[in-house]
Amino acid sequence: DAGVIQSPRHEVTEMGQEVTLRCKPISGHNSLFWYRQTMMRGLELLIYFNNNVPIDDSGMPEDRFSAKMPNASFSTLKIQPSEPRDSAVYFCASSLVGQGDNEQFFGPGTRLTVL
Amino acid sequence: AQKVTQAQTEISVVEKEDVTLDCVYETRDTTYYLFWYKQPPSGELVFLIRRNSFDEQNEISGRYSWNFQKSTSSFNFTITASQVVDSAVYFCALSSYNQGGKLIFGQGTELSVKP
Repeated sequence: DAGVIQSPRHEVTEMGQEVTLRCKPISGHNSLFWYRQTMMRGLELLIYFNNNVPIDDSGMPEDRFSAKMPNASFSTLKIQPSEPRDSAVYFCASSLVGQGDNEQFFGPGTRLTVL
Repeated sequence: AQKVTQAQTEISVVEKEDVTLDCVYETRDTTYYLFWYKQPPSGELVFLIRRNSFDEQNEISGRYSWNFQKSTSSFNFTITASQVVDSAVYFCALSSYNQGGKLIFGQGTELSVKP
């Protein structure tokens, strides 16, 4: 049974470049979440989708960040242009839609380094 | 506003000691859910437990136990007879009934168990 799959696992890029992070949720899950983890801010929710529809993107730091979920089995988080302060671990998580009671299953994360 | 506070940034114990990780939460919602996640050095986030606001029964799972007290807004986690493999960062998290599963995380407690 495959868990949440994220790619790439590591990404090193230069400031100004476009970065695309990818996520495949667990089959049958219909909620998908993108989180960012940094030493300074801890784990913070960037955006989440319910049945492929973005519900809350209030955590997206600025217009350089965008996320899409074209279908139930795929989502992307794009940063354009990237900046050194975007360096972090980005986690994708999925769960069964509910009312907040279902546990979220996390992917292994993408460690992004922007030079 | 919702908030989770884990006041203990780091804890260090010697193997076989018992250790309690504190978690205090704030919410105005009457229906909410509390979670604990473990993040070992490998970096993934592993779900440990979920409790809902209507169930204050303590729970025990092997060496792990959880004490939920609404009166003090606390959801503490105890590891009995700690082992080196318990070394990790532990996160407490909160979600509300009407928030679609959005998790609010505490800052995490880094537990180091020394042999």
